[in-house]
Amino acid sequence: GQNIDQPTEMTATEGAIVQINCTYQTSGFNGLFWYQQHAGEAPTFLSYNVLDGLEEKGRFSSFLSRSKGYSYLLLKELQMKDSASYLCARLGAGSYQLTFGKGTKLSVIP
Amino acid sequence: SQTIHQWPATLVQPVGSPLSLECTVEGTSNPNLYWYRQAAGRGLQLLFYSVGIGQISSEVPQNLSASRPQDRQFILSSKKLLLSDSGFYLCAWRGTARNQPQHFGDGTRLSIL
Repeated sequence: GQNIDQPTEMTATEGAIVQINCTYQTSGFNGLFWYQQHAGEAPTFLSYNVLDGLEEKGRFSSFLSRSKGYSYLLLKELQMKDSASYLCARLGAGSYQLTFGKGTKLSVIP
Repeated sequence: SQTIHQWPATLVQPVGSPLSLECTVEGTSNPNLYWYRQAAGRGLQLLFYSVGIGQISSEVPQNLSASRPQDRQFILSSKKLLLSDSGFYLCAWRGTARNQPQHFGDGTRLSIL
């Protein structure tokens, strides 16, 4: 299968840094996406990694290690509005389909 | 810029009734289109996707169907809804260049009574 594993829930303090991990099946891999989904809303695109390394976008960064089948999303200077679910999604080779993880629900507390 | 419209936002239907959800995309041509369902506490489940007019790929056999009568229109239908069809239905589009992200509509929250 194309199992994607990420923690179900995390809690972090406002102003802190949090890292959300994601592991996936490496065979037939063609890219890794991260989405943010606030409660009751649609997911919104955050980042995309296809090569190893770190991609930075403001307070959010995403890292990929293809050999390890591992990615993480790093959120810095956490704000209350960052409380949301974060979805890891894998793109298969030769495919236009994304396989989504179940999401990590992040709660930011004062 | 591209936009995606999905309606209605909320729908309450009795068991056994038909369903039609519509999704349209503006500002792009020949997009790939997707229908997902997200049940409470579960991940996004891909239901259908389409790479062109009249072309539909089904990922999960069930009592739902999809159609793409026009390039930028994607419709999700059912002849008879089941209780298990309740959920949050999301339409998404992406460009045809490889590795483009999918962009989601606002979703339809469907409750079956």
